[in-house]
Amino acid sequence: QKEVEQDPGPLSVPEGAIVSLNCTYSNSAFQYFMWYRQYSRKGPELLMYTYSSGNKEDGRFTAQVDKSSKYISLFIRDSQPSDSATYLCAGLMDTGRRALTFGSGTRLQVQP
Amino acid sequence: ETGVTQSPTHLIKTRGQQVTLRCSSQSGHNTVSWYQQALGQGPQFIFQYYREEENGRGNFPPRFSGLQFPNYSSELNVNALELDDSALYLCASSRSGRVSHNEQFFGPGTRLTVL
Repeated sequence: QKEVEQDPGPLSVPEGAIVSLNCTYSNSAFQYFMWYRQYSRKGPELLMYTYSSGNKEDGRFTAQVDKSSKYISLFIRDSQPSDSATYLCAGLMDTGRRALTFGSGTRLQVQP
Repeated sequence: ETGVTQSPTHLIKTRGQQVTLRCSSQSGHNTVSWYQQALGQGPQFIFQYYREEENGRGNFPPRFSGLQFPNYSSELNVNALELDDSALYLCASSRSGRVSHNEQFFGPGTRLTVL
């Protein structure tokens, strides 16, 4: 079993839709949770990170972490064609190995 | 775009050869991590360097080795290349010792093809 599981998609939505991207994880030691966006043939770009459980909002993006169910979500409001990319979630421990553990990514397509 | 740069952009090698990939970290960052991303997969952690010393290693064989220099730039070396080493190699820099040290910023990657 992978430590971070993510539906690979593709997820296709019309422009303006609310998008929900989700991950589950199994490592209870994860304290930080990140969302990265990766365009084709580019490096991942950090969108948001949250510490422990709770919500964090940044513009059209909202990240949620529920540690009790080991569930991570990213919501995108008013989605745009420029949001079309692969979205990667990742977990990070607070101590010990400072390595991001990624899911396999969800490919999102926003249709104009 | 982040201030992390990587070279070369693309590389083609044959099985058994050796390769060196390079990374310059973002200004003010003292930690460099290397990841391997196979097609359709998420990045996998190879190792991390902090102040010129290895600070953690993933499940990769010893033929994957690295260095970090006093200016915090880094190299990834892979010996005895295998076909499965074909991937995008990503370097991420971060700043240790502060809250923001958990934010890792990635470079554009080096795409390695092994024939």
